[in-house]
Amino acid sequence: DVKVTQSSRYLVKRTGEKVFLECVQDMDHENMFWYRQDPGLGLRLIYFSYDVKMKEKGDIPEGYSVSREKKERFSLILESASTNQTSMYLCASSSGVVTIGEQFFGPGTRLTVL
Amino acid sequence: EDQVTQSPEALRLQEGESSSLNCSYTVSGLRGLFWYRQDPGKGPEFLFTLYSAGEEKEKERLKATLTKKESFLHITAPKPEDSATYLCAVQTSGTYKYIFGTGTRLKVLA
Repeated sequence: DVKVTQSSRYLVKRTGEKVFLECVQDMDHENMFWYRQDPGLGLRLIYFSYDVKMKEKGDIPEGYSVSREKKERFSLILESASTNQTSMYLCASSSGVVTIGEQFFGPGTRLTVL
Repeated sequence: EDQVTQSPEALRLQEGESSSLNCSYTVSGLRGLFWYRQDPGKGPEFLFTLYSAGEEKEKERLKATLTKKESFLHITAPKPEDSATYLCAVQTSGTYKYIFGTGTRLKVLA
């Protein structure tokens, strides 16, 4: 079974802190994604990566950065956390370079910024 | 602009009462349409992929169908354990991105 794990299920941080969310997948997938999910807004793409050290901005990249130094690991960084970044953060991975493929999601990290 | 709309937003069914969830899409070129199930506080769980109009996929009490403009998730004789939010997503041609609908919250009453 594909497994995507996220470093924390719940996280509470203070405004202005630097926050690291880590995601690891064990299926050698090329593509990895970070989403945030808010009630009524659905899943919104923050960043995605289609290869090591490669990244593309999604729909809402402002206030976030990412790092992919190894194929299995994709990190989301909040440089200076703000209260409007309180949300559920979901990591996903998928296979294929030119073919389509379903995404497999991690369990999510519920981040609260006070 | 590429868009995915799911309806209804919420649905309450009695156990055994069959129904359908709708996912309509407007995209420049469809590469694939995906259905997911999401339980509260958890990540979405993959259910089906559909690639072309006319295609159907089944899994237990669920059946997904696809036309050129929409997809349906049919739930036959649902049970309380089918209660969840069902998400639809599409991947468009020439992109790695997936566009998600906002989901249908299904509640099946015993």
